[in-house]
Amino acid sequence: SQTIHQWPATLVQPVGSPLSLECTVEGTSNPNLYWYRQAAGRGLQLLFYSVGIGQISSEVPQNLSASRPQDRQFILSSKKLLLSDSGFYLCAWSVQDEQPQHFGDGTRLSIL
Amino acid sequence: GDSVTQMEGPVTLSEEAFLTINCTYTATGYPSLFWYVQYPGEGLQLLLKATKADDKGSNKGFEATYRKETTSFHLEKGSVQVSDSAVYFCALRGGSNYKLTFGKGTLLTVNP
Repeated sequence: SQTIHQWPATLVQPVGSPLSLECTVEGTSNPNLYWYRQAAGRGLQLLFYSVGIGQISSEVPQNLSASRPQDRQFILSSKKLLLSDSGFYLCAWSVQDEQPQHFGDGTRLSIL
Repeated sequence: GDSVTQMEGPVTLSEEAFLTINCTYTATGYPSLFWYVQYPGEGLQLLLKATKADDKGSNKGFEATYRKETTSFHLEKGSVQVSDSAVYFCALRGGSNYKLTFGKGTLLTVNP
């Protein structure tokens, strides 16, 4: 069966520090991969999605970037974190061109 | 563009009460519709889905019917339990789009 792993589960970082969140999927090949952010009291905002290795689409301009170095690995990064980057970050995968999406357990990021 | 509107919460019910969470959508083409549930501190889990008009999705006592004429996908449960306390998200995938559009979420609290 397919599984998705995100880490770390929680992270506290100072403003201006770098960020790297990792997501891996097991049990499937060539999935679509997604990064979402959930700000407090708000819905989910799609940040990035990827349909293949090295293929990244950005949904909103921001301080973050994403990379897909391997088929089932999706990384969310920042060179310098802002206070506004605080939130709950969720990775998801889906079978190519199909739904639904399946979510990881999320990373709670606090910026101090 | 695509959009999803959910009833604003929070919703507080007593155990065994009837639950309705309203969801309406705007989309081009023939979207697929989903309800996701997020338990405290966790990622999102798919609760149920419907892929065409008049389909009824059901799971764990929850139901939702895809109503094209009213562009709605209301979530219902006949008798809620304390363990149903969570945030519920309505979402759609447009006909030719692999991205999900989410509503803002509705917090449900069930008291014993």
